[in-house]
Amino acid sequence: AQSVTQPDIHITVSEGASLELRCNYSYGATPYLFWYVQSPGQGLQLLLKYFSGDTLVQGIKGFEAEFKRSQSSFNLRKPSVHWSDAAEYFCAVGAPFSGGYNKLIFGAGTRLAVHP
Amino acid sequence: DVKVTQSSRYLVKRTGEKVFLECVQDMDHENMFWYRQDPGLGLRLIYFSYDVKMKEKGDIPEGYSVSREKKERFSLILESASTNQTSMYLCASRVGLAGGPRTGELFFGEGSRLTVL
Repeated sequence: AQSVTQPDIHITVSEGASLELRCNYSYGATPYLFWYVQSPGQGLQLLLKYFSGDTLVQGIKGFEAEFKRSQSSFNLRKPSVHWSDAAEYFCAVGAPFSGGYNKLIFGAGTRLAVHP
Repeated sequence: DVKVTQSSRYLVKRTGEKVFLECVQDMDHENMFWYRQDPGLGLRLIYFSYDVKMKEKGDIPEGYSVSREKKERFSLILESASTNQTSMYLCASRVGLAGGPRTGELFFGEGSRLTVL
């Protein structure tokens, strides 16, 4: 069964600084990988996804993520953080065509605070 | 744009009450899901439905049931609410497995925050 770990519960960065949020997964093959963002009081919005192909994927709002098979990681990055990026970020993993109905497993989330 | 609408953003109920949480999606998605979100635990799957009248238990189905009589609507039911069901509930939908590259991407509603006293 797949699982996902987000090692950092809280991260604080200064506005304009770079950002990297970590995500590690456990799965026997190449999974589907996702990053979602949740602003306060809102549902989750998809930032980006990886299914196959180029291991560096671009998303919305200037985010990117890199799939590293050797490290079982899918870390989210942004070169310059804006105050509006303060939110909670969730990594999720899905098993492609596993025979079931492809449930997504979510990490516990990383809450990002941005200092002015 | 896909829209997933949850009927109630905030609810306050008493222990033992029956609670209905409603979710409607407007993109003809086959699959619909109910998640529960708690601090430090992320999202945990309660139930999902892969088609009308079809349902499967997720990871934490105890104390919950669901109903999907129409494709666009998926209801979560708490037969007898308890204080440990105080939480944020998120509904999501997506195209079915045959949906090509978009398979796996979930579209979420804004959530229903339930407080059970």
